[in-house]
Amino acid sequence: QVQLQESGPRVVKPSQTLSLTCDVSGDSMSNGGYSWSWIRQPPGKSLEWVGYIFYNGNTEYNPSLKSRVTISLDTPKNSFSLKVTSVTAADTAMYYCVRDPGGLGPIGPWGRGTLVTVSS
Amino acid sequence: DIQMTQSPSTLSASVGDRVTIHCRAGRTISNYVNWYQQKPGKSPNLLISAASSLQSGVPSRFSGSGSGADFTLTISSLQPDDFAFYYCQQYYNRPWTFGHGTKVEIK
Repeated sequence: QVQLQESGPRVVKPSQTLSLTCDVSGDSMSNGGYSWSWIRQPPGKSLEWVGYIFYNGNTEYNPSLKSRVTISLDTPKNSFSLKVTSVTAADTAMYYCVRDPGGLGPIGPWGRGTLVTVSS
Repeated sequence: DIQMTQSPSTLSASVGDRVTIHCRAGRTISNYVNWYQQKPGKSPNLLISAASSLQSGVPSRFSGSGSGADFTLTISSLQPDDFAFYYCQQYYNRPWTFGHGTKVEIK
């Protein structure tokens, strides 16, 4: 059974960098066939796809965030990470990592999510 | 980006009611639509994929329909466990986009 677990600081100061890691168990990310995405949800709002990384390191980001987002892969640790630079209060959200079949089926499973608050 | 316009934003209903939630895509997207249920503090739970494919373990009172640009999620007989938020999502083109959500609340 594939499981994903987010981790990282829960509070980030404005203008600093948000950093999260997603640990994947039950599936090897290097097997291919899936991309691995981050999705976020501000409090009381809908969901926003942030970006993905493929097993070979290829990435694609939401154009609305592209200039501030980096997703990277740590194959030996079977994990992937998200960095968002120059954060503001608008980046306060629940951040989810998910397995993403890239249009060949529904995204999932989802991690439980981690709430990141941007506050001084 | 493909905009997903979901309606209504809030739906007040009673146990046993038949409820329908609509989602309209900004362009035709074949059947590349998922429907999720989300409860407070939880990650979204996939109900329907490919517009009408009921996921394993999801009660048969949930159904999805539509193709092209118009899609519908129907709950045939609302149960107490169904009061939650519901979201549609397109996976035809990246960036994947979601509807703004429908809150199904007790009348």
